[in-house]
Amino acid sequence: NADVMQNPRHLVRRRGQEARLRCSPMKGHSHVYWYRQLPEEGLKFMVYLQKENIIDESGMPKERFSAEFPKEGPSILRIQQVVRGDSAAYFCASSPTGTGYEQYFGPGTRLTVT
Amino acid sequence: RKEVEQDPGPFNVPEGATVAFNCTYSNSASQSFFWYRQDCRKEPKLLMSVYSSGNEDGRFTAQLNRASQYISLLIRDSKLSDSATYLCVVHGGGDKLIFGTGTRLQVFP
Repeated sequence: NADVMQNPRHLVRRRGQEARLRCSPMKGHSHVYWYRQLPEEGLKFMVYLQKENIIDESGMPKERFSAEFPKEGPSILRIQQVVRGDSAAYFCASSPTGTGYEQYFGPGTRLTVT
Repeated sequence: RKEVEQDPGPFNVPEGATVAFNCTYSNSASQSFFWYRQDCRKEPKLLMSVYSSGNEDGRFTAQLNRASQYISLLIRDSKLSDSATYLCVVHGGGDKLIFGTGTRLQVFP
């Protein structure tokens, strides 16, 4: 599949549970970016990863959030002990280069915390 | 001050109308600029890059004014299918894209 894949597309979690969001980049892309879009707001950068490395996590909340991009398999955004304020759409984008110019977005995961 | 600011709209225009959106950015060192389109509950998709000389793609024209730090998007002969949210995006240096909150366009018959 040539597109950026994200799953699940919709995720419902109760407060205190963990959420795991997956992103498979386009074939041949080794750079992955995660963004969060709160209701009625723009996308906000969270983290940029290359295979096995976190390059820039300046947009990640200091607690409960982590990301990885292992040598094999998809990139994972993990949110521990979710709270209602984590409800948002989480988009990942992949790029063939690390310059940030060409980013292709996946369909997003909509997280709802009840 | 937000890094990228846009009028949220909505802009309600009839088919065939010409509509223009503006966007301002705060970082004078920004080098690259884009317009993305986002349909309701979908991912953003690149509409066009914005160059200093201006660029045109069919009915869409983008302009950049570095001195005033603003970017514009002009849509001519609006179609119903143009209804969407238009996101002004600035390459923030390094690796991240900085998104405006978007301007919502609704084209009616």
